Amino acid sequence: NAGVTQTPKFRVLKTGQSMTLLCAQDMNHEYMYWYRQDPGMGLRLIHYSVGEGTTAKGEVPDGYNVSRLKKQNFLLGLESAAPSQTSVYFCATQNGVRSYEQYFGPGTRLTVT
Amino acid sequence: DAKTTQPTSMDCAEGRAANLPCNHSTISGNEYVYWYRQIHSQGPQYIIHGLKNNETNEMASLIITEDRKSSTLILPHATLRDTAVYYCIVRLYNYGQNFVFGPGTRLSVLP
Repeated sequence: NAGVTQTPKFRVLKTGQSMTLLCAQDMNHEYMYWYRQDPGMGLRLIHYSVGEGTTAKGEVPDGYNVSRLKKQNFLLGLESAAPSQTSVYFCATQNGVRSYEQYFGPGTRLTVT
Repeated sequence: DAKTTQPTSMDCAEGRAANLPCNHSTISGNEYVYWYRQIHSQGPQYIIHGLKNNETNEMASLIITEDRKSSTLILPHATLRDTAVYYCIVRLYNYGQNFVFGPGTRLSVLP
């Protein structure tokens, strides 16, 4: 039972390159989230999903796209990376609307040069 | 969601109780208080939550004032492994979207 896993753990991109971050969960949770955390700050929500095939924008969605084709996977895409997207990205899951706890992955550290 | 205010940092001696305060003066009647922590750049970890009664679990205790405008997270016997950033979050229980994480309190447990 791996919980929430994120791939890759680290990545360095050049400005303008694209990449996809993968979040996978084996807990059969309905809700999944992508957050970013900049140095010394709290987490900010990028996008989220309340079920397979659904996605919605969070607080800072610009420059990112997401997809939830399978319940267990939530993908975060950067089409044209910018230095402002240098951050640590966390995925989280939640077991339905009435659950009080979110489970977080270990994070992906992304640097855009 | 109601806004919370926490001290930027705190120190605590190992083995002593760590008391982390949080002000949430604009909390509404159906909003819960949650505490999470983040150890050295790992993903945040749930600690405890409550509405108006004091709560205790194996990790910590949560004391909420009678007017619900502030709360205190208590780690009864802090260890070096409790060094982390602690986040106090207020939100509706069944509001199924995100938690709003502010900058939190950086707790340093000193030997």
